[in-house]
Amino acid sequence: DAKTTQPPSMDCAEGRAANLPCNHSTISGNEYVYWYRQIHSQGPQYIIHGLKNNETNEMASLIITEDRKSSTLILPHATLRDTAVYYCIVRVDGANSKLTFGKGITLSVRP
Amino acid sequence: DTEVTQTPKHLVMGMTNKKSLKCEQHMGHRAMYWYKQKAKKPPELMFVYSYEKLSINESVPSRFSPECPNSSLLNLHLHALQPEDSALYLCASSQEYRGLNEQFFGPGTRLTVL
Repeated sequence: DAKTTQPPSMDCAEGRAANLPCNHSTISGNEYVYWYRQIHSQGPQYIIHGLKNNETNEMASLIITEDRKSSTLILPHATLRDTAVYYCIVRVDGANSKLTFGKGITLSVRP
Repeated sequence: DTEVTQTPKHLVMGMTNKKSLKCEQHMGHRAMYWYKQKAKKPPELMFVYSYEKLSINESVPSRFSPECPNSSLLNLHLHALQPEDSALYLCASSQEYRGLNEQFFGPGTRLTVL
């Protein structure tokens, strides 16, 4: 699987949008971009995934650049409960589609 | 029911003890996983079961022994562990292993080996 690069941490104010970047410059054509998050002392939680089109669900939006070498996860109105480690994962669709977690980015939402 | 449950929540054991971790899901998922997570590190895959058969063993030491008695249950038997095995052990499940199925994680069992 291609590796991803994320800044180690970022913060944002409650109620503002949180934009979490991820680089995946060696991504292949059949690899999807996934985002999971892990709130302290809990198991990881799926957020969203996409291939090349932008995606939106009730939790977040995923913006993937046209060359697919980077993406941004957007939490439109961050709350204190969004404080967590966010993992950007590149994952192949196929027989060996395991999740390989990188270091992630720690998002701290401040009041 | 979209929940994966794990018991116990916490476990303290000595290096000579034998203990087991239990994971259960009732979502009809046919793939189940064990991950290990050390403090301030990302989860690392240990085992994958697909249709109750062991599909992947990520070179895990034999002191960890997984078992899948049926499609809803996953156990991890522990024997002769070392203090460095202290970690959060996470169970997950997904509809299938192949493809892009979302994995649902349990809250984990925090294991301390003395």
